[in-house]
Amino acid sequence: DVKVTQSSRYLVKRTGEKVFLECVQDMDHENMFWYRQDPGLGLRLIYFSYDVKMKEKGDIPEGYSVSREKKERFSLILESASTNQTSMYLCASSLDRGPQYFGPGTRLTVT
Amino acid sequence: ILNVEQSPQSLHVQEGDSTNFTCSFPSSNFYALHWYRWETAKSPEALFVMTLNGDEKKKGRISATLNTKEGYSYLYIKGSQPEDSATYLCAFHTGNQFYFGTGTSLTVIP
Repeated sequence: DVKVTQSSRYLVKRTGEKVFLECVQDMDHENMFWYRQDPGLGLRLIYFSYDVKMKEKGDIPEGYSVSREKKERFSLILESASTNQTSMYLCASSLDRGPQYFGPGTRLTVT
Repeated sequence: ILNVEQSPQSLHVQEGDSTNFTCSFPSSNFYALHWYRWETAKSPEALFVMTLNGDEKKKGRISATLNTKEGYSYLYIKGSQPEDSATYLCAFHTGNQFYFGTGTSLTVIP
């Protein structure tokens, strides 16, 4: 079974802090994704990566950056957290056109 | 930003009823259409990945059809059971971007 893990289930940070969200997958998938989920807005793609050291912007990249130094790990970085980044963050991985496998999510609260 | 619409937004059905929902997406730049099931307190799980116009996929009591020319996909659930209660998401894949709909929330009443 594909396993996608995220570093924290719940996280509380202060405005202005730098925040790292880590995602690890164990199935050698090339593609990895970061989404945020907000009520009434569904899942919105922040960034994705098709290979190590490669990244592409999704719909809402502003205020975020990513890092993919190893194939199995994809990190989402909030350089200076703001209250409007309070959300549920989901990581996923996939092969080519195949289905995405999602992690359990990180609920981030920025106060 | 592309528009992927799902209808209805929510649905309540009696156990044993059959039901269906719609996902509408742009008819250009099509690469694949995904369906996911998302239960409360769990992660979304893939149901189907559809790539060809006219595709029909089936998994148990759940099936899906795809029309890429007119830009829609239907998800059908036959004989709904309480364990089918979840949010059903579709995602439109252009080849280099994914766009999710906001989902259809299904509640099956025993």
